[in-house]
Amino acid sequence: QQQVKQSPQSLIVQKGGIPIINCAYENTAFDYFPWYQQFPGKGPALLIAIRPDVSEKKEGRFTISFNKSAKQFSLHIMDSQPGDSATYFCAATMQFGNEKLTFGTGTRLTIIP
Amino acid sequence: DAGVTQSPTHLIKTRGQQVTLRCSPKSGHDTVSWYQQALGQGPQFIFQYYEEEERQRGNFPDRFSGHQFPNYSSELNVNALLLGDSALYLCASSLSTYEQYFGPGTRLTVT
Repeated sequence: QQQVKQSPQSLIVQKGGIPIINCAYENTAFDYFPWYQQFPGKGPALLIAIRPDVSEKKEGRFTISFNKSAKQFSLHIMDSQPGDSATYFCAATMQFGNEKLTFGTGTRLTIIP
Repeated sequence: DAGVTQSPTHLIKTRGQQVTLRCSPKSGHDTVSWYQQALGQGPQFIFQYYEEEERQRGNFPDRFSGHQFPNYSSELNVNALLLGDSALYLCASSLSTYEQYFGPGTRLTVT
């Protein structure tokens, strides 16, 4: 029940395209869903996050869509660039703050020029 | 404003040895969490420290232990190293919020 399932495992998109990464969760106690971007040899960097009372959140070229009834959320990257090539992780955590992050398995994204 | 820092960057140890990894949280943060990231996998939660106490623990054996100091910095200790302990060890800091910020990690190789 603590798992977060992420797909696809890898994704190749042409520059300017809109890669979409999907995640699903089981535990309805999760109430905060961040996305992290990780470059090789680096730590994960917080990109954008959403609470379940909001269906969509945009920050720059990154958008999270959230479907509470389906227990699914997704990351869209608008006008993708080669510099966006990285591994993306969705995660989930619970209320009371500072609860552990439960991560998905990651999506390796490649943006080709 | 310095972010989360970790030392050392890389470490090579032999099976059976002990290792200590260090983390300094982002300025103003009081909570430190440690994660293990195996190659090609998502980070797995090891434990979390707040007010110098272990507040939460993931599914890791007692060989993994930690400490938090009064200045909020933290150490992760692993005893009796196994080959399977080879991974990137990540420290994340936060301040009573959901947002956890990660350091660059320490790459541990056990031979």
